[in-house]
Amino acid sequence: DSGVTQTPKHLITATGQRVTLRCSPRSGDLSVYWYQQSLDQGLQFLIHYYNGEERAKGNILERFSAQQFPDLHSELNLSSLELGDSALYFCASSVGTGVGYTFGSGTRLTVV
Amino acid sequence: TQLLEQSPQFLSIQEGENLTVYCNSSSVFSSLQWYRQEPGEGPVLLVTVVTGGEVKKLKRLTFQFGDARKDSSLHITAAQPGDTGLYLCAGGGNYQLIWGAGTKLIIKP
Repeated sequence: DSGVTQTPKHLITATGQRVTLRCSPRSGDLSVYWYQQSLDQGLQFLIHYYNGEERAKGNILERFSAQQFPDLHSELNLSSLELGDSALYFCASSVGTGVGYTFGSGTRLTVV
Repeated sequence: TQLLEQSPQFLSIQEGENLTVYCNSSSVFSSLQWYRQEPGEGPVLLVTVVTGGEVKKLKRLTFQFGDARKDSSLHITAAQPGDTGLYLCAGGGNYQLIWGAGTKLIIKP
């Protein structure tokens, strides 16, 4: 157990639908990062939150949004889902920025 | 734009052989990290190097940070099937890590 909890572990949904992925960071970590990883691809950075505030955006589609709540857990919302959104979505947390990340075990999203 | 290039992209070798994976950039990084990822799992941090020329060892794995802090290498001695996985390097940026595309390593028994 890495200390970063992601739910659900698996999600199958239809095109056009909306889903919410949840992440609880490791205790004491203020930064939460979201990544997308498609089959046999590297990690694509989506967004970074620090203590409730958005700090950086990567290649995140307008159909996707995220937030970090006062208790530091974060949610990634994916809407108007397309087949190409099928991927592993990872959440990572860290104490600060630019330091070692602790990753969750990911949510595998399948859009059919 | 900071970029990290990893080479090779794919490596398949026999158990017991040695190998080196490279991570190169034209940019200077304040730190560089190496992660290993197994299929369906999140990456796991192996090591962080912060000083130019720094060498760190983790059992059969040796990590080196270049003198100019623009590149790094990972050397595995006597590779074992358990070393199989995707090896990712990541450089410390302002608000996030800059990631390489990874080296997929397969160690055949």
